[in-house]
Amino acid sequence: AQSVAQPEDQVNVAEGNPLTVKCTYSVSGNPYLFWYVQYPNRGLQFLLKYITGDNLVKGSYGFEAEFNKSQTSFHLKKPSALVSDSALYFCAVRARSGNTPLVFGKGTRLSVIA
Amino acid sequence: KAGVTQTPRYLIKTRGQQVTLSCSPISGHRSVSWYQQTPGQGLQFLFEYFSETQRNKGNFPGRFSGRQFSNSRSEMNVSTLELGDSALYLCASSLDRVGIETQYFGPGTRLLVL
Repeated sequence: AQSVAQPEDQVNVAEGNPLTVKCTYSVSGNPYLFWYVQYPNRGLQFLLKYITGDNLVKGSYGFEAEFNKSQTSFHLKKPSALVSDSALYFCAVRARSGNTPLVFGKGTRLSVIA
Repeated sequence: KAGVTQTPRYLIKTRGQQVTLSCSPISGHRSVSWYQQTPGQGLQFLFEYFSETQRNKGNFPGRFSGRQFSNSRSEMNVSTLELGDSALYLCASSLDRVGIETQYFGPGTRLLVL
């Protein structure tokens, strides 16, 4: 069975500092990996995805994520955090083979402090 | 292009009642997935529909059902509501079956069961 772990419920970072939101996954075979962000009272917004190719994926709003196969990780990063980045972040994984749905982590709440 | 729309946005029901939620995908998208979001369980997959056929189902009781129409619009139904069904129900659409395709989420329907 596939699963996603986001080990931190909450991440606090000062505005202008780099941020990292951690994600590790478990899946049979190679994964498709996604990051989504949710603002209060809103649905999820797509940030980026890893399908194949370059391990460093660049996405919306200056976010990027690095796929590390040996560590089964897909951490989300941004060089300089903004207060407006404060939101709930979800990592998701899907196996490449088989008829399996997208599985989400429990989410990490990012708080950027001015 | 209009995004994914969900109606109603808010709903209050009492235990034992049933409820139907509606989702209109992005124009041209043929796949619709439903998720239940609660603070304790995070995002849990309910079902995926593609071309009017249920392609995948999560671990929810039979009280939860859904369908997709020929225009790709989808509905989900919950019968005999329980207090624990209180949640944000999110619908997501994608061009093709969930795989490498990005899912785009609606704003959700917040259901409160009293």
